[in-house]
Amino acid sequence: ETGVTQTPRHLVMGMTNKKSLKCEQHLGHNAMYWYKQSAKKPLELMFVYSLEERVENNSVPSRFSPECPNSSHLFLHLHTLQPEDSALYLCASSNRDRDTDTQYFGPGTRLTVL
Amino acid sequence: GENVEQHPSTLSVQEGDSAVIKCTYSDSASNYFPWYKQELGKRPQLIIDIRSNVGEKKDQRIAVTLNKTAKHFSLHITETQPEDSAVYFCAASIVWGQNFVFGPGTRLSVLP
Repeated sequence: ETGVTQTPRHLVMGMTNKKSLKCEQHLGHNAMYWYKQSAKKPLELMFVYSLEERVENNSVPSRFSPECPNSSHLFLHLHTLQPEDSALYLCASSNRDRDTDTQYFGPGTRLTVL
Repeated sequence: GENVEQHPSTLSVQEGDSAVIKCTYSDSASNYFPWYKQELGKRPQLIIDIRSNVGEKKDQRIAVTLNKTAKHFSLHITETQPEDSAVYFCAASIVWGQNFVFGPGTRLSVLP
């Protein structure tokens, strides 16, 4: 349960605020991911970092800006968000050196944009 | 890109009965198929996975079957218990690739 941690767990922000979400993995993995989970929607992959390089950006608006300073830490910087960005933001990590790409999720940050 | 469909969206079963959730995928190159369980207010957790070189895998009350020709795979839960109640997500991916797509989820309710 403590392999992937996220802070904060809950965040309420106005549309003009700037905030950052933090994710940390303690599993020795080499890939990290940001997902968005909205009500009644599947998990939407936002960004993928493998070996600290961004390898995927699924047409995410520029108001979301990821940062991966090392293989254990991942940030999601938020600015001028919209109310429809309110969702659960999940971080995950995996080890892409092995036969499977099993992803381990953090507990998520519940974001509310007013 | 990959598209994963999942059915049914909701499923209610009596305790002790079996539950089956089915997923289809579109990209024939996909070779890794995990299933995740997400309890209310908690993170998704891997419960079982299967690779394309295997047709079936079982872990106690949970089993997954894969039909590569038809591009579908299924989760089978036998002797269901109330604690099996959760949302279940299937996913399809190409290992080391850039596709990792989840299905929309199935809300399973096990009635005591």
